[in-house]
Amino acid sequence: EPEVTQTPSHQVTQMGQEVILRCVPISNHLYFYWYRQILGQKVEFLVSFYNNEISEKSEIFDDQFSVERPDGSNFTLKIRSTKLEDSAMYFCASTSGPTQETQYFGPGTRLLVL
Amino acid sequence: GDSVTQMEGPVTLSEEAFLTINCTYTATGYPSLFWYVQYPGEGLQLLLKATKADDKGSNKGFEATYRKETTSFHLEKGSVQVSDSAVYFCALRPSGTSYGKLTFGQGTILTVHP
Repeated sequence: EPEVTQTPSHQVTQMGQEVILRCVPISNHLYFYWYRQILGQKVEFLVSFYNNEISEKSEIFDDQFSVERPDGSNFTLKIRSTKLEDSAMYFCASTSGPTQETQYFGPGTRLLVL
Repeated sequence: GDSVTQMEGPVTLSEEAFLTINCTYTATGYPSLFWYVQYPGEGLQLLLKATKADDKGSNKGFEATYRKETTSFHLEKGSVQVSDSAVYFCALRPSGTSYGKLTFGQGTILTVHP
């Protein structure tokens, strides 16, 4: 069964450093998402991406964040200058259609900012 | 804005006990409702869904009914197994959304003992 994969599974970084989280969505999917979950809190929507551009973003997704689909398979989330409060589990998801189809989630990347 | 509230956890049960995890929501219109499950070390997996009032979603012995009058989507299972131990997330997708953003509850940790 096709699945969404994410790398790395864990990342530790120093405050102020740039990190790139990588996701490989399911191959025939067209809509891509990033969510995050700070420990003990809700899973929160960050951004959706379709047709090589951001379709929707939350208030959390400020100028420190960016997303990119650099090739036909990868979908990345970049945090330019990490803050302590960026420590969270980051989930990538994809779907073939945004309104009726299931979103498939990856296993997540746990980011720890020191 | 839209929100989802789940019962406080964690929930600990003995095998074959009855399970209820409460979920209520706030949203305009007729959102689609979901339960996702996260097993240890894995991503969020769709457990069941309902897209209109009075619909019942079911899967793997779990059920939930979309109750518009009480804005609820409680998860139930008649006889839990140790393998059901996981984190359960209630979520909604607003009606009329073009890009499929999900809003999640805080998750409920379920532990089932033999």
